[in-house]
Amino acid sequence: GDSVTQMEGPVTLSEEAFLTINCTYTATGYPSLFWYVQYPGEGLQLLLKATKADDKGSNKGFEATYRKETTSFHLEKGSVQVSDSAVYFCALSDYGDYKLSFGAGTTVTVRA
Amino acid sequence: NAGVTQTPKFQVLKTGQSMTLQCAQDMNHEYMSWYRQDPGMGLRLIHYSVGAGITDQGEVPNGYNVSRSTTEDFPLRLLSAAPSQTSVYFCASRERRGTQYFGPGTRLTVT
Repeated sequence: GDSVTQMEGPVTLSEEAFLTINCTYTATGYPSLFWYVQYPGEGLQLLLKATKADDKGSNKGFEATYRKETTSFHLEKGSVQVSDSAVYFCALSDYGDYKLSFGAGTTVTVRA
Repeated sequence: NAGVTQTPKFQVLKTGQSMTLQCAQDMNHEYMSWYRQDPGMGLRLIHYSVGAGITDQGEVPNGYNVSRSTTEDFPLRLLSAAPSQTSVYFCASRERRGTQYFGPGTRLTVT
């Protein structure tokens, strides 16, 4: 079945540091890939997505590229801020399927 | 446009009690789903619905019931609460291959 594996946290960074969160997936079809963010005390929000191989999703300075050859969708940001402190979830949805499969989540804390 | 709304925000139950978590969306989305979030386990799908009158089980359906009588509403029922159901519950809705929108969550504690 479909599954998502993302790097375990927690991750603690200083402001303006570079952030990478690794995500790899297993899927039988042609999935769409997503990164969701959950700020403290809130629900999940879509951060970015990519629907086919080599697509790059980007939003709020975050980027992720859909790599079919390595089945990966790593999240990156060049200079993090304290406001980026959150839990980040990688997820996939297989073609024609309504359901999302989530990774375990990575807690990121950015210190001033 | 309120998006996805959930009530209540917090709830404490005793073992064996029943309750219904409410979820509503105003985006006319076909697909709605319930997830539970537990530390280190991400979100796990409990039940989902692809339209009014149609529901199906997800990854962890035991102990939960759902119904979908209208497009807007998708309540989740706990028939006999157990401590293992202590979790944060999220309702979500989406269009086919569209963005999934999440509600703010319900934090449930079963003692």
